[in-house]
Amino acid sequence: GENVEQHPSTLSVQEGDSAVIKCTYSDSASNYFPWYKQELGKRPQLIIDIRSNVGEKKDQRIAVTLNKTAKHFSLHITETQPEDSAVYFCAASNDGGATNKLIFGTGTLLAVQP
Amino acid sequence: DTEVTQTPKHLVMGMTNKKSLKCEQHMGHRAMYWYKQKAKKPPELMFVYSYEKLSINESVPSRFSPECPNSSLLNLHLHALQPEDSALYLCASSQVGGDNSPLHFGNGTRLTVT
Repeated sequence: GENVEQHPSTLSVQEGDSAVIKCTYSDSASNYFPWYKQELGKRPQLIIDIRSNVGEKKDQRIAVTLNKTAKHFSLHITETQPEDSAVYFCAASNDGGATNKLIFGTGTLLAVQP
Repeated sequence: DTEVTQTPKHLVMGMTNKKSLKCEQHMGHRAMYWYKQKAKKPPELMFVYSYEKLSINESVPSRFSPECPNSSLLNLHLHALQPEDSALYLCASSQVGGDNSPLHFGNGTRLTVT
C-alpha cells in the first residue's frame, strides 16, 4: 500500500521567512496530493491540493510543487506569519476509484516566531 | 463554520460501556470516512462508506462498528473498548469520483476510555 514520508518533523522560522515541507510517496499510482493544516485541538483543514497532471499550484502565500518522477511533493509558505503556526500534514491517494483513501504523512510542527 | 458536524465533542466511557459517535453532513457528499488520530500523530483511516455501503475497512477491531443510515449520517458504535482506543475520532466526507474530491473533516470527538 501507499506510504508517505514527511520532513522535517519540526520547523521553526522567523516571521516573514519562508518555510518548506517535503514529502515522498511510494505508490506511483497515487494522483492526488492534498495538504492539511491542523491547529491545536482543531480539525485538519485543507489548505491546498495538487493533482498528478500539474507540476505546481499556487494560492497567495502557499504553493505546492510535484515531481512525479521522483515521487516528491513540497509545500512552500512565503512571508510566514504567527498564525501559520500549526501542524501540517501531507497526504496522497489514488482517487481513481469511488472514494478518496488518503494516506497521511507524519506531520510537521511549524512554529513561526514573531 | 464546520460543514461536517460531529457529536459529542467529548466522551468518557468505561470499558464495559456501549456508546455511539455521530456525524452529519449536508453537502451532498456520498462518501463518508472515519479516521482515528492519536496525539501528535497523523489521522489513520478506519472505514470508508460510498453510497451508504461500506467500501473500506482497514482491519479495524470489531469493537468498532460503523453504520451509515442515510447519505447524510454516519455513526460509529463503540463497545468493550480498551484504554488504548482513547483518541480523537474524525469524520470526513467527500464527493465520489470525479476530479475534485477533497476530504472535509469535522471537529472530531475526543474519546477517553477509562
